Amino acid sequence: DQQVKQNSPSLSVQEGRISILNCDYTNSMFDYFLWYKKYPAEGPTFLISISSIKDKNEDGRFTVFLNKSAKHLSLHIVPSQPGDSAVYFCAASRSSASKIIFGSGTRLSIRP
Amino acid sequence: GAGVSQSPSNKVTEKGKDVELRCDPISGHTALYWYRQSLGQGLEFLIYFQGNSAPDKSGLPSDRFSAERTGGSVSTLTIQRTQQEDSAVYLCASSLQGGGGTDTQYFGPGTRLTVL
Repeated sequence: DQQVKQNSPSLSVQEGRISILNCDYTNSMFDYFLWYKKYPAEGPTFLISISSIKDKNEDGRFTVFLNKSAKHLSLHIVPSQPGDSAVYFCAASRSSASKIIFGSGTRLSIRP
Repeated sequence: GAGVSQSPSNKVTEKGKDVELRCDPISGHTALYWYRQSLGQGLEFLIYFQGNSAPDKSGLPSDRFSAERTGGSVSTLTIQRTQQEDSAVYLCASSLQGGGGTDTQYFGPGTRLTVL
């Protein structure tokens, strides 16, 4: 039972345009959501997070939007840069719990 | 400062053999996590340590899997009688306090395990 779903395994975006990565979750008890970025042969690195009390969090070129009623979140990257090419994992947790539940990832490719 | 390190980076073993995977967390981090990523899958939680104790082992897939942590630092994940379905990248992460997602987890580069 996948509690966190990333339905797009890959996404290709032109450099300078906006990248939008989507994520859905099923567990309404989740109250904290994260995005991690992973380059080949490296571990994932934390990118940005959002608490369920907010619907938007912005950090530079990265913005995460949360729609609790739809159990949906998205990561916007604008403008997209070549260094953004990586696998992006959506993740969710209950702040009272110890573990994070990850999605299966979306491979983002930024083309020139 | 030094990040999370894991060894070996790659391990190839024969079905039925035992393997040990090591994780050195960031110094001072009390929480340590093991995950695995099978081909085409997301990161699957295995076990969480707070200090030397493991309050959440719910992700260990079978009794062939065990882990320990000593001195509040190094952790070893042991897989006994390996099976081909154990082939995956095993990732270790540590965090300062262990508040689930609210406490940023820092990942090591992983150990790629291949069971022939």
